[in-house]
Amino acid sequence: KQEVTQIPAALSVPEGENLVLNCSFTDSAIYNLQWFRQDPGKGLTSLLLIQSSQREQTSGRLNASLDKSSGRSTLYIAASQPGDSATYLCAVDIGGYQKVTFGIGTKLQVIP
Amino acid sequence: EPEVTQTPSHQVTQMGQEVILRCVPISNHLYFYWYRQILGQKVEFLVSFYNNEISEKSEIFDDQFSVERPDGSNFTLKIRSTKLEDSAMYFCASSRQGADTGELFFGEGSRLTVL
Repeated sequence: KQEVTQIPAALSVPEGENLVLNCSFTDSAIYNLQWFRQDPGKGLTSLLLIQSSQREQTSGRLNASLDKSSGRSTLYIAASQPGDSATYLCAVDIGGYQKVTFGIGTKLQVIP
Repeated sequence: EPEVTQTPSHQVTQMGQEVILRCVPISNHLYFYWYRQILGQKVEFLVSFYNNEISEKSEIFDDQFSVERPDGSNFTLKIRSTKLEDSAMYFCASSRQGADTGELFFGEGSRLTVL
């Protein structure tokens, strides 16, 4: 059974810092990995999708990497801003009709 | 920008009552999903739906749950007889394609409170 772990559970950084969020998964036979952002009481906003054949994806200040063989993904946020404060979720698609397994998330607080 | 919309945003119901949660997926998407998130816990897969039938379902999705696409736009989740443990945020999602390429797009969620 696929397990997804996210470390750290919470992170507080001063504005402007670069930071890395980590995601690990137990079964490397994945179709894709997606990073989401969740604001309190809100839905999930897709940030980046990495296909199984890709190593990384970039969008603006965000860069996500994928190492399938080691079962790891990182989300790099450059020059963090207070508006980046949210919970970041990693989700792994193990195939079929997107039976996706989520991590518990990393709660990020960027202090002005 | 196209988005997944869900109604109601919050529903309070008595234990044993039937609840229907509604979703309008993105119009050119073909795959539809329901997920739930109990407060403080992980987002959990419930069911996926493609070509007017259930593709996969989790062990959570028992006989009390059903899904339907009654017309060309709506996608509903019905809970027949709600239990206290059904209290959660329910998210609808859709994707244009299935596994290997399909980016998931989520709605804002419907918060269900069972008393």
